[in-house]
Amino acid sequence: EAQVTQNPRYLITVTGKKLTVTCSQNMNHEYMSWYRQDPGLGLRQIYYSMNVEVTDKGDVPEGYKVSRKEKRNFPLILESPSPNQTSLYFCASTRATGAAYEQYFGPGTRLTVT
Amino acid sequence: KQEVTQIPAALSVPEGENLVLNCSFTDSAIYNLQWFRQDPGKGLTSLLLIQSSQREQTSGRLNASLDKSSGRSTLYIAASQPGDSATYLCAVRANDYKLSFGAGTTVTVRA
Repeated sequence: EAQVTQNPRYLITVTGKKLTVTCSQNMNHEYMSWYRQDPGLGLRQIYYSMNVEVTDKGDVPEGYKVSRKEKRNFPLILESPSPNQTSLYFCASTRATGAAYEQYFGPGTRLTVT
Repeated sequence: KQEVTQIPAALSVPEGENLVLNCSFTDSAIYNLQWFRQDPGKGLTSLLLIQSSQREQTSGRLNASLDKSSGRSTLYIAASQPGDSATYLCAVRANDYKLSFGAGTTVTVRA
């Protein structure tokens, strides 16, 4: 089954304790992204990747890092989490066929930083 | 910067009524527009994808229209059911790498 998976689904942590949220897709898509969702703000892009070893900042990259060492994986790293990073996080991969792009989302990771 | 607005923010209708959800965007230079459904605390499910060259897409009871020149899209859901209760998100793609999302319309269908 074609899918985007994220782990963990739920995480409660304390300020300053480094964490990684993993993301993996089995559709051989080149483009992958991370978004955060906050009430009233919709989804905002954190980082994106166009291919292996190629990443760039989205709208809200502060406090986050990413890496793309393999095509299927795109982990999100919070080196020193803070309470304002409490949010619902989504990983997405994009199917690009000619001029047509369609986005597929993972199930989300709910992060609470105390 | 692309701004996407969804009005209303919330909508409550009796079962059987047709739903009309609106989405507007500020920059008409888009690749496509995608409508998603999100259930509370869950991920996003793609409902319809409209390419910039298309005027509408249909899937079952769902129909989405796109007027790129005026920066508008409308999602119609016919004969609503309680199972249609969810938040509906509109997103536009302006380049290869990014979707710009509206804040969503939360729909409640009363039995």
